[in-house]
Amino acid sequence: GQNIDQPTEMTATEGAIVQINCTYQTSGFNGLFWYQQHAGEAPTFLSYNVLDGLEEKGRFSSFLSRSKGYSYLLLKELQMKDSASYLCAVMDSNYQLIWGAGTKLIIKP
Amino acid sequence: GAVVSQHPSWVICKSGTSVKIECRSLDFQATTMFWYRQFPKQSLMLMATSNEGSKATYEQGVEKDKFLINHASLTLSTLTVTSAHPEDSSFYICSAQDREHSPLHFGNGTRLTVT
Repeated sequence: GQNIDQPTEMTATEGAIVQINCTYQTSGFNGLFWYQQHAGEAPTFLSYNVLDGLEEKGRFSSFLSRSKGYSYLLLKELQMKDSASYLCAVMDSNYQLIWGAGTKLIIKP
Repeated sequence: GAVVSQHPSWVICKSGTSVKIECRSLDFQATTMFWYRQFPKQSLMLMATSNEGSKATYEQGVEKDKFLINHASLTLSTLTVTSAHPEDSSFYICSAQDREHSPLHFGNGTRLTVT
């Protein structure tokens, strides 16, 4: 079966750095996405990785290792507004998106 | 670019009535749109894939006669929840891609409450 694992909840301090991990087992691989979802709102796109390595976009970076079936989202200089759920999703060989359950990130002052 | 508009944002209806939710791609054409449902504190669940000019493809366990999907044009897909019941109360979200295999762009979602 296809499976995406990410921690259910994480807590971090304002101004700090946090890394949210995602491991996956899917039928094929055509890219991995990270989305941010604030409570009661729709997800918004953060990043897309299809090749191994680190993609940096401002305070957010995303890393992919295809051989390990592993990705992480790195958030730097955390702000209170970063409190949200972060969803990892993998596009399989049929170009279908397989979603993780999301990681709820709580930022404390 | 790649803006998806969803309407209404929230709706309250009585049990047994039908509710229509619209999803529009504002600045691009979407041959495929996706409809998701999300219950509180749960992940997104794909309900169906809406294809312009053809029948939608429903995920296992989703009743196609209850959740009617129409993709009449390259910029509009509608989801109609027929004979709604309280257990249909949920957050419904549509999404679309501006090109094949690109990231999904989501509408703002519709919170449906059935009383």
